[in-house]
Amino acid sequence: GEDVEQSLFLSVREGDSSVINCTYTDSSSTYLYWYKQEPGAGLQLLTYIFSNMDMKQDQRLTVLLNKKDKHLSLRIADTQTGDSAIYFCAETMVFSGGYNKLIFGAGTRLAVHP
Amino acid sequence: DGGITQSPKYLFRKEGQNVTLSCEQNLNHDAMYWYRQDPGQGLRLIYYSQIVNDFQKGDIAEGYSVSREKKESFPLTVTSAQKNPTAFYLCASSIGGRRQYSNQPQHFGDGTRLSIL
Repeated sequence: GEDVEQSLFLSVREGDSSVINCTYTDSSSTYLYWYKQEPGAGLQLLTYIFSNMDMKQDQRLTVLLNKKDKHLSLRIADTQTGDSAIYFCAETMVFSGGYNKLIFGAGTRLAVHP
Repeated sequence: DGGITQSPKYLFRKEGQNVTLSCEQNLNHDAMYWYRQDPGQGLRLIYYSQIVNDFQKGDIAEGYSVSREKKESFPLTVTSAQKNPTAFYLCASSIGGRRQYSNQPQHFGDGTRLSIL
């Protein structure tokens, strides 16, 4: 079945690294995404990784993918108060005709404290 | 600037009333989507459209209707048949269309919060 799981809450101190974890079920997913949602706002695409990659780095963000265990993580280096938000992991299922369906986890709420 | 515009930001529905949420994009994307977000949950797909004049039901289409008369616009109507409409509604779009673009990411609007009066 389709299921993406994330821990619901993470609290870190400003300046530390944050690691948000995600597990997914569909081994045929070709892309996996991380989105950020600030209060009352829509989802902002942070980064994504193709399934044939193990790691992708983009400034303070590092995505690690363990395809064997279907485990995805997002590491935020030097976490700042502006990083406080809900982070969604999503896997993609592609259907005929080019339509892609995103399966979202429930989101991890990241709280950054001084 | 290119983007997705949802309006209104807040909407209130009376019992028995249909309401329509607007979604407009100027990204020249073929595919558009509507999601519903409830507190503490991920997003659930209501309807999607791969191309103008075509749309398909998602996972929770009951009580909702859509139209896709123009490439830029994908309005969502929450009908009186939707008994629990209070939620945050998000519209998204992606390049879509031909299969070679099928993995392009979805981009989201800022959402509409719908409440019951």
